[in-house]
Amino acid sequence: EAGVAQSPRYKIIEKRQSVAFWCNPISGHATLYWYQQILGQGPKLLIQFQNNGVVDDSQLPKDRFSAERLKGVDSTLKIQPAKLEDSAVYLCASSSIWLRSYNEQFFGPGTRLTVL
Amino acid sequence: AQSVTQPDIHITVSEGASLELRCNYSYGATPYLFWYVQSPGQGLQLLLKYFSGDTLVQGIKGFEAEFKRSQSSFNLRKPSVHWSDAAEYFCAVRNSGGSNYKLTFGKGTLLTVNP
Repeated sequence: EAGVAQSPRYKIIEKRQSVAFWCNPISGHATLYWYQQILGQGPKLLIQFQNNGVVDDSQLPKDRFSAERLKGVDSTLKIQPAKLEDSAVYLCASSSIWLRSYNEQFFGPGTRLTVL
Repeated sequence: AQSVTQPDIHITVSEGASLELRCNYSYGATPYLFWYVQSPGQGLQLLLKYFSGDTLVQGIKGFEAEFKRSQSSFNLRKPSVHWSDAAEYFCAVRNSGGSNYKLTFGKGTLLTVNP
């Protein structure tokens, strides 16, 4: 079974530029998550989708961050414009809604963003 | 709001020694608890989880953890550490109901293993 795929793996941009990250979850997983992991901290949830609907985006800085999951499969996270403090690893995770799995989250390798 | 505290930022042990990583959580009801490991440049891998039942849970790679409700703790243990265990370890808590499966993570404990 293929895992969660993310691209790119690394990205370096100047502040005020835009950037987008892509995630393809495990096949059949209805729930998709984007986490932000700043150096020295644990991951923090930015947004959770169930199919193509948003379940929780309470910690997403909506003035600059946006995310979509139009067909309920892969997802894109965008930052526009980027700030220095957005430098972090962006992790995507997915989980199945089937009860036996207890919604265990499987993580992708992440995208490391550096904003200069 | 749920929260997790990992009191130790960095722990160094010798290969073959025992290991205990501490985790304290704050949550109103019975939590779902997790330990993840993250190697450099890698995503998070689930080591073990607690949902209910036996408070001592076994995980992969020889790890185990014990849920102690009275102490609000979920400490990770391994009897004999291998050099390949060097990584960062995260404890996480999740609500046990509803449709919001948000994981709240601690800040992590970096494990160094000396030969």
